[in-house]
Amino acid sequence: DTGVSQNPRHKITKRGQNVTFRCDPISEHNRLYWYRQTLGQGPEFLTYFQNEAQLEKSRLLSDRFSAERPKGSFSTLEIQRTEQGDSAMYLCASSPGQGETEAFFGQGTRLTVV
Amino acid sequence: QKEVEQDPGPLSVPEGAIVSLNCTYSNSAFQYFMWYRQYSRKGPELLMYTYSSGNKEDGRFTAQVDKSSKYISLFIRDSQPSDSATYLCAMSGFTGGFKTIFGAGTRLFVKA
Repeated sequence: DTGVSQNPRHKITKRGQNVTFRCDPISEHNRLYWYRQTLGQGPEFLTYFQNEAQLEKSRLLSDRFSAERPKGSFSTLEIQRTEQGDSAMYLCASSPGQGETEAFFGQGTRLTVV
Repeated sequence: QKEVEQDPGPLSVPEGAIVSLNCTYSNSAFQYFMWYRQYSRKGPELLMYTYSSGNKEDGRFTAQVDKSSKYISLFIRDSQPSDSATYLCAMSGFTGGFKTIFGAGTRLFVKA
């Protein structure tokens, strides 16, 4: 499978716990994006990486959220001290990264905080 | 005001109808315009991709961009029940970065 891969697909956690999601982008794609999508809304931008550098972070990304892409390949998104409002679909996308290009999405990780 | 506005619908049409989906935007820095299709509980799937103004056709799908009006459209000809999904418009440009901004999505139902 050469598409964007996200794991896990589903995560149920208790409020206050930490969770970590992983994204494996399409091979050789330089840019990697994280989005959050709630029911009835379009994806909202969280952050993006150009190789291993995190170049932009949304104001939606509170200090409980951290993302890394240590070797410019896969990325992780960690949410600390989860809150019920964090329940959403977390989407990862990648793009070739030369100028403007379209982004290709993974299937997402659905987080439920109970 | 949101950067990208899209009517959430739902839009219900009979099989075979021509569907018109639209978005407006406010940021003139947007240069790349995309349409994604999203089935329930799945990630968005890229349908069409257009740079700047103009039309692009791919099978039953036609994307139009009018940068002077800040208005983009997606037309679906001979709509099929399998086209039932949420359609997301998206756009990007060097707005200080390369992030893609999405509309809220329009839910489309095509009735057999």
